[in-house]
Amino acid sequence: GENVEQHPSTLSVQEGDSAVIKCTYSDSASNYFPWYKQELGKRPQLIIDIRSNVGEKKDQRIAVTLNKTAKHFSLHITETQPEDSAVYFCAAPFSGGYNKLIFGAGTRLAVHP
Amino acid sequence: DTAVSQTPKYLVTQMGNDKSIKCEQNLGHDTMYWYKQDSKKFLKIMFSYNNKELIINETVPNRFSPKSPDKAHLNLHINSLELGDSAVYFCASSLAGGIIGELFFGEGSRLTVL
Repeated sequence: GENVEQHPSTLSVQEGDSAVIKCTYSDSASNYFPWYKQELGKRPQLIIDIRSNVGEKKDQRIAVTLNKTAKHFSLHITETQPEDSAVYFCAAPFSGGYNKLIFGAGTRLAVHP
Repeated sequence: DTAVSQTPKYLVTQMGNDKSIKCEQNLGHDTMYWYKQDSKKFLKIMFSYNNKELIINETVPNRFSPKSPDKAHLNLHINSLELGDSAVYFCASSLAGGIIGELFFGEGSRLTVL
C-alpha cells in the first residue's frame, strides 16, 4: 500500500545540537524523496530532496541520506538554530509516475536557545 | 509576485453550506494539486490536474468537486459542508505531472465549519 512512516513525531534539542528525522516508505519503485519544512501558520516549503541514484546530498547544515535497500531515508540538521523550529515532512511518490506525493505524518522540531 | 495564490485565506461557515476556494499559479506549471491538512498537521493529497486533465482523484467524498478552467487555475468546490471538513486546504503546483519534482504550495485556506 501507499505508506510513508516518519519518526519521531516530536523532537526537542538544544541550540547547536544535531537533529535526525527518519522515514520509511513502502513502494520500492519510489525514486524521489523530498523534505519539506512548515513553519507555524505558513506553507510547506521544500528544503532538500534526493533522487535514488545517489545515497547522500548536503546543503550547508542539512543533509539527506537514502538507503534504497532498506527503503528508508533520513534528514540530518547540524548546528541547529531556533529558526529551525518547525514541522518537517518527508514524502515519497507512488503509483504510476505522476507526481503523487505521499507525505509522512510530520515531525515537530523544537530548538531551544 | 505570489507564485501560487489562494483565496480566501480564511473561511468560516455553517454546516450544510456550499463554498469554493480558488487557486492560481503564475509559474507556468502544468500540474496543480489540492492537499488537505487536518488539525494533526497530516497532509493528504485530494486531487491533481495536469494541463486541465484530472490525473489524481483520491478517495474523497463526491461533495468535493475540483475544476480547472485552464492550467493556471484550479478551484475546489465543496457542497453540504460537514464539521469534519474543517481543515487547511493547500493548493500546489509542479512543473509537469510526469516529472516528479518540487511542489510549490500556496499559503493555504483555513476552512472552519460550525
